[in-house]
Amino acid sequence: RKEVEQDPGPFNVPEGATVAFNCTYSNSASQSFFWYRQDCRKEPKLLMSVYSSGNEDGRFTAQLNRASQYISLLIRDSKLSDSATYLCVVTPMFSGGYNKLIFGAGTRLAVHP
Amino acid sequence: DADVTQTPRNRITKTGKRIMLECSQTKGHDRMYWYRQDPGLGLQLIYYSFDVKDINKGEISDGYSVSRQAQAKFSLSLESAIPNQTALYFCATSESGRGQETQYFGPGTRLLVL
Repeated sequence: RKEVEQDPGPFNVPEGATVAFNCTYSNSASQSFFWYRQDCRKEPKLLMSVYSSGNEDGRFTAQLNRASQYISLLIRDSKLSDSATYLCVVTPMFSGGYNKLIFGAGTRLAVHP
Repeated sequence: DADVTQTPRNRITKTGKRIMLECSQTKGHDRMYWYRQDPGLGLQLIYYSFDVKDINKGEISDGYSVSRQAQAKFSLSLESAIPNQTALYFCATSESGRGQETQYFGPGTRLLVL
């Protein structure tokens, strides 16, 4: 079983739609959670951290469910520019002075006019 | 100018050749990383370094070596390239002592081994 699993998609949605992605992780001792965005053939960039209480940044909302070991990303009012691959990233229990990042393979989103 | 740069951006080489990928950063970060990305897989850590001359193996270090002779530079070498090392390679940096460390990625090097 992969440590971090995501539905690869693609999710094809019209502009203005609301879309949600889930990601599950296998290590119950995981400490930190993130969503990164990766445009085609480009580098990953941090979109947002995911806190236990959930957090919102404009049209983006991230939530964490520790009991079920999943995190989610909700995008409201989708824009064409939201088309990208969204990477779920988890940090296992802190050890050795290094917060190792475990990456999911990503969920591809395609927003169409 | 980009904070994290990688050279070359694209490279085609033949099986058995030695190649080096370079990463430079102007962010002043102490920690640097090399990852590879394959289709359908998450980024996998090859090597990482916390400081000059500090080298640590990641998940998939076999067939690779690295060098960190200066804080701003971290190079990745393939001593004898093989076709299954064809991938997209990313360098990343982070700054220690900031709680949840954000990693900043370079633009990537696309490597094809024939």
